[in-house]
Amino acid sequence: EAGVAQSPRYKIIEKRQSVAFWCNPISGHATLYWYQQILGQGPKLLIQFQNNGVVDDSQLPKDRFSAERLKGVDSTLKIQPAKLEDSAVYLCASSSPRQTDTQYFGPGTRLTVL
Amino acid sequence: DQQVKQNSPSLRVQEGRISILNCDYTNSMFDYFLWYKKYPAEGPTFLISISSIKDKNEDGRFTVFLNKSAKHLSLHIVPSQPGDSAVYFCAASSTNAGKSTFGDGTTLTVKP
Repeated sequence: EAGVAQSPRYKIIEKRQSVAFWCNPISGHATLYWYQQILGQGPKLLIQFQNNGVVDDSQLPKDRFSAERLKGVDSTLKIQPAKLEDSAVYLCASSSPRQTDTQYFGPGTRLTVL
Repeated sequence: DQQVKQNSPSLRVQEGRISILNCDYTNSMFDYFLWYKKYPAEGPTFLISISSIKDKNEDGRFTVFLNKSAKHLSLHIVPSQPGDSAVYFCAASSTNAGKSTFGDGTTLTVKP
């Protein structure tokens, strides 16, 4: 079974630029999550999708961050414009309908904003 | 307000000895707890979990203990191996909420 795929693995941009991250969850996993992990901290949930609907986006900075999961499979997270404090690893995770509490993570995208 | 706390940022243990990683939580609604392990440049991977109806769950060398009255859980690794060296995250969730709140992690180093 293929794991959660993410791309790119690394991205360096200047502040005020925009960036997008892509995630492909495990096949059959209805729930998809985007997390932000700042160095030295645990993952912080940004947004949770159930199929293509948003379940929780209370921690998403909506003035600059957006995410979509149009067909209930792949998802894209965008930051526009980026700030220095957005430098972090962005993790995508998915969970199956039968075991929603256990999440399977992708390798993450390390974003550096200069 | 951090609802899940791992107060020890790091832990160093000799190979063959026991590693004990601790986690405290504040939210009484949490009823499912998980430990994830993370190697550098990889995403966290699920290690072991425990429901609040239990006070212990064991899987090979890994055992998680839950003390609901103290809102405390711990992960025991016996015996510790160099390959166990990683960051360990404690996470907590409410039934069927489908989302977990993570602690900041403990970096375990197992010395040969």
